[in-house]
Amino acid sequence: GNSVTQMEGPVTLSEEAFLTINCTYTATGYPSLFWYVQYPGEGLQLLLKATKADDKGSNKGFEATYRKETTSFHLEKGSVQVSDSAVYFCALSPLGGYNKLIFGAGTRLAVHP
Amino acid sequence: KAGVTQTPRYLIKTRGQQVTLSCSPISGHRSVSWYQQTPGQGLQFLFEYFSETQRNKGNFPGRFSGRQFSNSRSEMNVSTLELGDSALYLCASSGTGGPQEIQYFGPGTRLLVL
Repeated sequence: GNSVTQMEGPVTLSEEAFLTINCTYTATGYPSLFWYVQYPGEGLQLLLKATKADDKGSNKGFEATYRKETTSFHLEKGSVQVSDSAVYFCALSPLGGYNKLIFGAGTRLAVHP
Repeated sequence: KAGVTQTPRYLIKTRGQQVTLSCSPISGHRSVSWYQQTPGQGLQFLFEYFSETQRNKGNFPGRFSGRQFSNSRSEMNVSTLELGDSALYLCASSGTGGPQEIQYFGPGTRLLVL
């Protein structure tokens, strides 16, 4: 079946540190891949997406590359800020899934000044 | 353009009662999905509606049901509430529900079952 595995958190970093959050998936064919972010007390916001192999999604300094050979979609940012503190979810949308997202468990990021 | 709105934002019920949650999608969006978020199970897909038809359903008991109206607004209903139904319920909308489309999420309804 379809599934997403994320690295467990929490991840604690100092401001301006490099961030990597690992995400791997299991799916049939070529699903679309997404990173969503959830700030305290809010719903989910799309951070970036990729819809085919070798696509790179990017937004607000965050990047992730769709790697079919390693079934991965790791999230990276070169220099984190305190305002990036949130929970990050990796998700896939399976082929024919009709607006169905399968999420990883989420990784909580805390950035300290 | 207004975002996805959900009402109510907070709800407290007791075991055995039923509850109805409402979701208004972004104008022009016809696909609405519902998700349950709990600390133990994470984010889980409940069901998806498009043009008043349920196209996709997650692995939840029949106590969880939904519907969609002709204006694309959607409701979900949970009957005979259990303590384990306490969760944040999120709805999301997109244009047609294709797998490459971005889903836009509402702020959620936080349900507490006592």
